[in-house]
Amino acid sequence: SAVISQKPSRDICQRGTSLTIQCQVDSQVTMMFWYRQQPGQSLTLIATANQGSEATYESGFVIDKFPISRPNLTFSTLTVSNMSPEDSSIYLCSVNPTGQGNTEAFFGQGTRLTVV
Amino acid sequence: GDSVTQMEGPVTLSEEAFLTINCTYTATGYPSLFWYVQYPGEGLQLLLKATKADDKGSNKGFEATYRKETTSFHLEKGSVQVSDSAVYFCALSDSGGYQKVTFGTGTKLQVIP
Repeated sequence: SAVISQKPSRDICQRGTSLTIQCQVDSQVTMMFWYRQQPGQSLTLIATANQGSEATYESGFVIDKFPISRPNLTFSTLTVSNMSPEDSSIYLCSVNPTGQGNTEAFFGQGTRLTVV
Repeated sequence: GDSVTQMEGPVTLSEEAFLTINCTYTATGYPSLFWYVQYPGEGLQLLLKATKADDKGSNKGFEATYRKETTSFHLEKGSVQVSDSAVYFCALSDSGGYQKVTFGTGTKLQVIP
């Protein structure tokens, strides 16, 4: 299993500013995943973060808007840049400690972001 | 690419009613299938899973069977409780090393006493 700590749990931000979300895992993992869950919607993968290389972004997401850091095997950050009200969502960090797709993924509690 | 389609919600049931939430998928290869649950105010957690055709996942009275011929993984429970009120997500994952999880849109279940 894995225990994931995400900070902050929630924030209200002014448009045009940036917010950095931190994700700490209690074990070393190769890949960390960042998701967005817009109000009333499902989870959409933003990017996959590998330690020591640039993150891989899904279609519709770009590094300038969502820069990601992965300095070691237990930690990652996601920054939401130049925010607008459309960025109001829950952002979740996820890992799969076994490294296999047929096993459980674990999720942080999420960061509830409101942009005003 | 991979995709998951699940029934629209919200679903409102009386306590002890039978529950079915439909889920179908499109994927290349042989994905693993999951149901995740998100209780109010809590994070996402695994409810059950199945990793190959005809496998049945079960937990807390919920069941789902991996049907390759119909590409389905419907969630069922014989008698729901108020405590089952939550959002349920059907999901799939490549069984190989990439670990990317594709989620359905989620179905909100409300159980009333």
